[in-house]
Amino acid sequence: AQSVTQPDIHITVSEGASLELRCNYSYGATPYLFWYVQSPGQGLQLLLKYFSGDTLVQGIKGFEAEFKRSQSSFNLRKPSVHWSDAAEYFCAVGFSGYSTLTFGKGTMLLVSP
Amino acid sequence: DGGITQSPKYLFRKEGQNVTLSCEQNLNHDAMYWYRQDPGQGLRLIYYSQIVNDFQKGDIAEGYSVSREKKESFPLTVTSAQKNPTAFYLCASSPGQDQPQHFGDGTRLSIL
Repeated sequence: AQSVTQPDIHITVSEGASLELRCNYSYGATPYLFWYVQSPGQGLQLLLKYFSGDTLVQGIKGFEAEFKRSQSSFNLRKPSVHWSDAAEYFCAVGFSGYSTLTFGKGTMLLVSP
Repeated sequence: DGGITQSPKYLFRKEGQNVTLSCEQNLNHDAMYWYRQDPGQGLRLIYYSQIVNDFQKGDIAEGYSVSREKKESFPLTVTSAQKNPTAFYLCASSPGQDQPQHFGDGTRLSIL
């Protein structure tokens, strides 16, 4: 069965510091990978996606992510965090021929002054 | 503007009662999905539909039912058989397989 692991339940980062959120997936095929962000009481907003090609993808709000096949990872990064980035972040994976996505359990980002 | 509309935003259910959550999209997407979100559990798939008049069970379909009579609508009924219905419910749609899903703003269901 497919699975997605986000090892960090909570992360606290100082405003202006860099950020990396981890995501690992299981399964052998080439995945389609997504990062979403959720503010409290809201739906999920797509930050970025990877389907194929360049393994470093750029998204909205200054985020980027890198697909590393050898590590089955798709980590999300941002060089300088803003207080407005505080939210919960979800990694999701899909595979060709499958209609559904599998989501990780999320990482809550807290931004300290 | 195109998007997904979920209503109501808050819903209360009495014991033994069925309630229906609405999800409407004007994105002309073929596929629609219902998820349940509990703290620390991520998103769990309840039902999904790839085409009108067809739908499939997800990972936690017991106690829920859906219909897909129109492309733009995918209502979810939480039946009295669902013993722990308190959760945040999210509806999503997608143009098709292997495409990103777009989400509504959710409905929070609580038990009176």
